[in-house]
Amino acid sequence: AQSVTQLDSQVPVFEEAPVELRCNYSSSVSVYLFWYVQYPNQGLQLLLKYLSGSTLVKGINGFEAEFNKSQTSFHLRKPSVHISDTAEYFCAVSLQTGNNRKLIWGLGTSLAVNP
Amino acid sequence: DGGITQSPKYLFRKEGQNVTLSCEQNLNHDAMYWYRQDPGQGLRLIYYSQIVNDFQKGDIAEGYSVSREKKESFPLTVTSAQKNPTAFYLCASRGSSNYGYTFGSGTRLTVV
Repeated sequence: AQSVTQLDSQVPVFEEAPVELRCNYSSSVSVYLFWYVQYPNQGLQLLLKYLSGSTLVKGINGFEAEFNKSQTSFHLRKPSVHISDTAEYFCAVSLQTGNNRKLIWGLGTSLAVNP
Repeated sequence: DGGITQSPKYLFRKEGQNVTLSCEQNLNHDAMYWYRQDPGQGLRLIYYSQIVNDFQKGDIAEGYSVSREKKESFPLTVTSAQKNPTAFYLCASRGSSNYGYTFGSGTRLTVV
């Protein structure tokens, strides 16, 4: 069965430090990959997506992610985090099943940026 | 600006009552979705609709109902049959050429 695993449920980090949030998926078919961010009591906002082409994808707020097909991973990175990056981050995989396109979600990683 | 509007933001319900959560979009998106979010459980799909007048059950549809009479609107009713309705509910939409979802700001439902 297809699944998305976010390897860390919580990531504490100091301000201005680099951060990597890890995401692995299991699927034998071609996929599209997404990272979303959720601030407290708000909806989800798209950070970046990989559909095709370059495996390094740049998104909003200085985030980037790299698609690694051989390792079935799509890790999110930022070279220097700010307090305002404190939020929940979700990895998602979109795959085609028959006539439907289904989005499978990871359980989320809570990023806590400390001063 | 186009987007998705969920209302109300906070909702309190007494046990045994049905309650309807509103979701409206002006993005001209065909597909719409309802998710439930509980701490540590990520997003779980309740119902989705690919076109008007058609909808499908998601992974946790029991105790919920939906309608899709208009492209712009996809209301969710939480019925008294839903045993644990207290949660954060998110509505999303997707256009035909857009593989990503656009989300509303959510409704937090509390049963008192």
